[in-house]
Amino acid sequence: NAGVTQTPKFQVLKTGQSMTLQCAQDMNHEYMSWYRQDPGMGLRLIHYSVGAGITDQGEVPNGYNVSRSTTEDFPLRLLSAAPSQTSVYFCASSEGRGRLTGNTIYFGEGSWLTVV
Amino acid sequence: GQQVMQIPQYQHVQEGEDFTTYCNSSTTLSNIQWYKQRPGGHPVFLIQLVKSGEVKKQKRLTFQFGEAKKNSSLHITATQTTDVGTYFCAGRAAGNNRKLIWGLGTSLAVNP
Repeated sequence: NAGVTQTPKFQVLKTGQSMTLQCAQDMNHEYMSWYRQDPGMGLRLIHYSVGAGITDQGEVPNGYNVSRSTTEDFPLRLLSAAPSQTSVYFCASSEGRGRLTGNTIYFGEGSWLTVV
Repeated sequence: GQQVMQIPQYQHVQEGEDFTTYCNSSTTLSNIQWYKQRPGGHPVFLIQLVKSGEVKKQKRLTFQFGEAKKNSSLHITATQTTDVGTYFCAGRAAGNNRKLIWGLGTSLAVNP
């Protein structure tokens, strides 16, 4: 009964380092996404995927890459970390983006990233 | 662009008082969802409203979707300390776009 699992939970990076946030879901969901959450900014969509092999940009994609080689996994890569990327990151999945049913979004527990 | 305004940003109540948060969209929505995020936690789905004028209840929580499908509210009766957290609405735009638009959330603090 894992749902959406993301790792690591906490990470400190130095400016310029790269890293990958891992995300996996076991619900066979088509739609996966990454959000960042900053104080007073709510949830902002970074990248999303509507199925294996398909990814697209959200509203704040700069500095991040994603890939979706399998239905289950959707890693988020920080190419060259910057202090502005200090945030809480949430991976999320849902059954289908377009259908009225199955739209419930399931979030991972979050990854707290600090870039110094 | 399309926006969902959520008010208030913060609310501090005494335990037992009622609480309401409102979401107003600049565009007609096909549906709206509500999520709760406990401090230090992740957003958790509460409910989805689809029909114009729809009202749904979950124990002390009452959710409404406006007749024009552009606004929604969440009302909590007799708040408890377990209600503490941030409540988000997320509206799905009507039409071909179907973009999900998040409100910025209302943070609720409850004094015991």
